[in-house]
Order: sequence, then C-alpha cells, then structure tokens
Amino acid sequence: AQKVTQAQTEISVVEKEDVTLDCVYETRDTTYYLFWYKQPPSGELVFLIRRNSFDEQNEISGRYSWNFQKSTSSFNFTITASQVVDSAVYFCALRPPEGGYQKVTFGIGTKLQVIP
Amino acid sequence: DGGITQSPKYLFRKEGQNVTLSCEQNLNHDAMYWYRQDPGQGLRLIYYSQIVNDFQKGDIAEGYSVSREKKESFPLTVTSAQKNPTAFYLCASSAQDRGKQYFGPGTRLTVT
Repeated sequence: AQKVTQAQTEISVVEKEDVTLDCVYETRDTTYYLFWYKQPPSGELVFLIRRNSFDEQNEISGRYSWNFQKSTSSFNFTITASQVVDSAVYFCALRPPEGGYQKVTFGIGTKLQVIP
Repeated sequence: DGGITQSPKYLFRKEGQNVTLSCEQNLNHDAMYWYRQDPGQGLRLIYYSQIVNDFQKGDIAEGYSVSREKKESFPLTVTSAQKNPTAFYLCASSAQDRGKQYFGPGTRLTVT
C-alpha cells in the first residue's frame, strides 16, 4: 500500500522568508515517481516537479528547490524568499512505476499563507 | 490551447437528483481520472480510465458512475446514492507513458 504524509496542514510565513514543506512517503515498490503540485485559490492543480526514485539529485528551479532523501523516504520542498503569490495549497504525491495502473496517491496538502 | 475543461465551475442540486459533471481534454491523453477533494482530506480517486470504453473504480467509487465513449470525454455522474456529494471535483488526464497529470479547473458541487 502507498501512503503520503504531509504533517504540516497549515504554515504562515512573512514575505521573503524561506519555508520548507515536508513530505514523507511509504511504498513497497522499488521504483516510483514523486510529485509536487500547487493548488492556488482558483482550484486548478498545477504541476511543479516529478522525481524518479532512481534520481536522488536535488533540484532547483528559481526560488523552488526539492530535497529527495530515499534513505528517509522524504521529498521536501523549499521556497526561498517567499512571495504572496506562493500562497496556495501544496500537494505531494506518489505514483507506481510506468505502465498499467497509474494510481497516484496524494497527501492531504499543506496550506501555505505568505503574509505581506 | 491544449488543456482540460470542466463545466460548470459551480453546480447546485437538490438532494435525490442525479447530476453529471463534464470533463473534456484535447491533449490526446489516454488516461483520465476523477478526484474528489474535501477540506483536510486531500484528493481521493473516484474513477479512472486508461483507454476508451474501459474504466476502473478508485478508492471511493460508491454512488458515482462514469463513461468513456470518446477519448476526449470522461463525464462523472453523481447519483442519489452518494451520501455526501457536496465537494470539489477535479478531473485529470495523463499520457499513458508518463506520470504527470494535467488537471482541470474543477467543479464545486453543492447538494442541499
């Protein structure tokens, strides 16, 4: 069975602060994909990143960075110098290997509020 | 532009009525999904379809039905058997050989 835990339900930070959103997962698969999605107030989920379990390199995209630690089953997301536009609900998700049933397991989400 | 459309954005129904939520995609994706989102519970999978004329139940399929007669369309019917239908419903699609899902803007259903 797959499980994704986002222990932080809500976080508030002041603009320009750095913030890290935690994601811990459980799976019996040896290969899998991990994702982060952003859900702004409009409701539509926006894809941020996909990470293959083979690739443990950390990734940076502008103010966003992701820290994948297979040893601790964590895939944390850091926003540097947060902005008001970062206010949203962020979901971490886990998917089995390619092919066949493509069920994605989502965490419950972390609501981030960036205060100006 | 390619994407997923869901209509309407807001839907109101009386208890006991069936209601159908539409989902259309022009991304040429084989797989399509329906999720339900409730506060504090994340996204839960209702149904998914990997190819036309085939679909499978997700984690919370009771009280829902779907059809997949065309690749582009995956409508969801919320039946009167669904005990607590008020929620935000999200449709998504993905290419068979990739994991990234594209989401529609969602439909907020309120049943009173």
